[in-house]
This record gives sequence, structure tokens and C-alpha cells, in this order.
Amino acid sequence: QVTQSGAEVKTPGSSVRVSCKASGGTFTSHVFSWVRQAPGQGLEWMGVIVPAYSAQNYGQKFQGRVSISADASTTTFFMDVTSLTPDDTAIYYCAVADIQFWKFGRFDSWGQGALVTVSS
Amino acid sequence: QLTQSPSSLSASVGDRVTITCRASQDISTYLAWYQQKPGKAPELLIYGASTLQSGVPSRFSGSGSGTEFTLTISSLQPEDFATYYCQQLNSFLFTFGPGTKVDIK
Repeated sequence: QVTQSGAEVKTPGSSVRVSCKASGGTFTSHVFSWVRQAPGQGLEWMGVIVPAYSAQNYGQKFQGRVSISADASTTTFFMDVTSLTPDDTAIYYCAVADIQFWKFGRFDSWGQGALVTVSS
Repeated sequence: QLTQSPSSLSASVGDRVTITCRASQDISTYLAWYQQKPGKAPELLIYGASTLQSGVPSRFSGSGSGTEFTLTISSLQPEDFATYYCQQLNSFLFTFGPGTKVDIK
């Protein structure tokens, strides 16, 4: 189960933080992936964090502008996006996989999505 | 890079539907398939190219390895009209295909 933070309205140039909290399992048993979907568009993968390996990786488009982190004490995962533009208006999803199956794509729990609107 | 074909298709209830996903390099079986309905989060159908996710109807199946993969719906049901995405998980980069929209003929 994943509980995701809610909708945000941001101005161009600002930053946003989206969070997801995992229930069940341990901190290192989860792998979190972040995905966004602009209005009427397809799914776009943004990045992943693997706490068991102390590793993160990002889609090429998001390198340098997106940062993924985690709080082990609360099993909460965060994604920060900086320098927002209207093109970042999208629904942002987190998806979680068990550490045993993440490489095969078994991201079987998704957050409900957080709509981030960037507008002046 | 992933490509999907077709980008859209129209089918009738009971039809057999096949969607193809092609990778630009060998990704072994590191591929998943998702279904997404309007206003909803994606739902996992298949992982590891051919393993059916728990709770997913057996009319869905996946096959392939390397660079070519298929998702097959053996007998399309009314609740299957949706958009389908493949996702590759190679080299710690998890890109999605552009999607295939399945609608009612």
C-alpha cells in the first residue's frame, strides 16, 4: 500500500516536493519508482530509488532537476522537482516494488497520483 | 527506447488482441505491461515479460525476450478497453513505450 501526498499549485521557477509513504515491509525491502503523466499524454519515467543499494537513478531528461530521497524512520519517499515550468504540469505517481522483484518490473502498488499544476 | 504497435486499435468484445513492444537493444526479460483507464493510476498486468501479476485475469498473457515482446488478450472483455503500456527495466533505466489505446469497434 502506498499513500501519496496531494495536489499542488506552483508558480514557474519554484520547486515541488511529492511524497509517498509505504506501509508494510521494511525500509530496505522497497524500491520506489516515480512516473509522471502530462494531460492527455503517456507515462514518463522520472527516476528510481533502491534503499537496499543506497542507489538512485534518473531519466536523462530529469538529470540535475529531480532529486529522489527517503526517510528511513518513517518509510517515506520524496521526489523534488526544481525550476518548474508550465510543461511540468502533470500527475505525478509513485510506484513501489519489493526488492526481490523490482528488476523484473513488478511495481504492483501505485499511489493515487498527485496533480501538480504550474501556472503564473 | 521502446516502440509499441499499433498505437491504437478498435476491437469487439470477444476478439483476440495482440500488442507488440520492441526494444532498441537486448533487454532479456526485463519488461512489464500495464493497463491504464482514464483518470486512474496504471495497473500492473505482466512482469518479467511473461509472469501474470496476481489477480489479473488469465486472458492476459505476455511473451518474448530480447528485443520483441507481445501482450495478448485472448478474448477482449468490456472492462479491457483501456490504454496499454510496456516498460523496460534495463540498465537501471525504466522507460515506457508510447502506449496502445484499445477502444470499441
